[in-house]
Amino acid sequence: GDKVKQSPSALSLQEGTNSALRCNFSIAATTVQWFLQNPRGSLINLFYLVPGTKENGRLKSAFDSKESYSTLHIRDAQLEDSGTYFCAAEAYGSSGNKLIFGIGTLLSVKP
Amino acid sequence: NAGVIQTPRHKVTGKGQEATLWCEPISGHSAVFWYRQTIVQGLEFLTYFRNQAPIDDSGMPKERFSAQMPNQSHSTLKIQSTQPQDSAVYLCASSLDGLGGRYAEQFFGPGTRLTVL
Repeated sequence: GDKVKQSPSALSLQEGTNSALRCNFSIAATTVQWFLQNPRGSLINLFYLVPGTKENGRLKSAFDSKESYSTLHIRDAQLEDSGTYFCAAEAYGSSGNKLIFGIGTLLSVKP
Repeated sequence: NAGVIQTPRHKVTGKGQEATLWCEPISGHSAVFWYRQTIVQGLEFLTYFRNQAPIDDSGMPKERFSAQMPNQSHSTLKIQSTQPQDSAVYLCASSLDGLGGRYAEQFFGPGTRLTVL
């Protein structure tokens, strides 16, 4: 919800183009995870980040804990990249650590 | 490695009936999490076990919901007297121990879609 704000909420891309998704945090995030929920509903791990960057194939992600944001860059988008992308921030709370999810970015890649 | 296994994949109950959802974590993972996903609320944390011990159940509705982890190979989420507002996808995740008190990467099961009529 409000503690993890994802943008945009929806995105349509032509196959082969690039884009970036973003999460802004109003909490002190210690780690960030990015997931893709495919049309069948399965949540697939994309990245687990401490502050810094990671790259995996056409995907690249960064987490800046000082500026409280994370980004996911998709290069050369393919049809199979379609689905809902979630970021989740780990933060300390009164009852311990929590993984707090954003509301997701619905990505549609078109031929 | 079969990943996190959740059964059943779909469950339909009548209002007031009990529902029990099962989760088998990835072998060797010490942490098990339960989440609920709805269109309105998104993904919400429910409860967390580490080495079978309940660590944090702050996300669980205080009445009617309970979770257990009787052994390292499975956890259950039980909802008594189900209500239509309990309809959701219930997701289980597992992970290794994190470093320095942090969470490690969580791996999700396919979820159980609960429909309460």
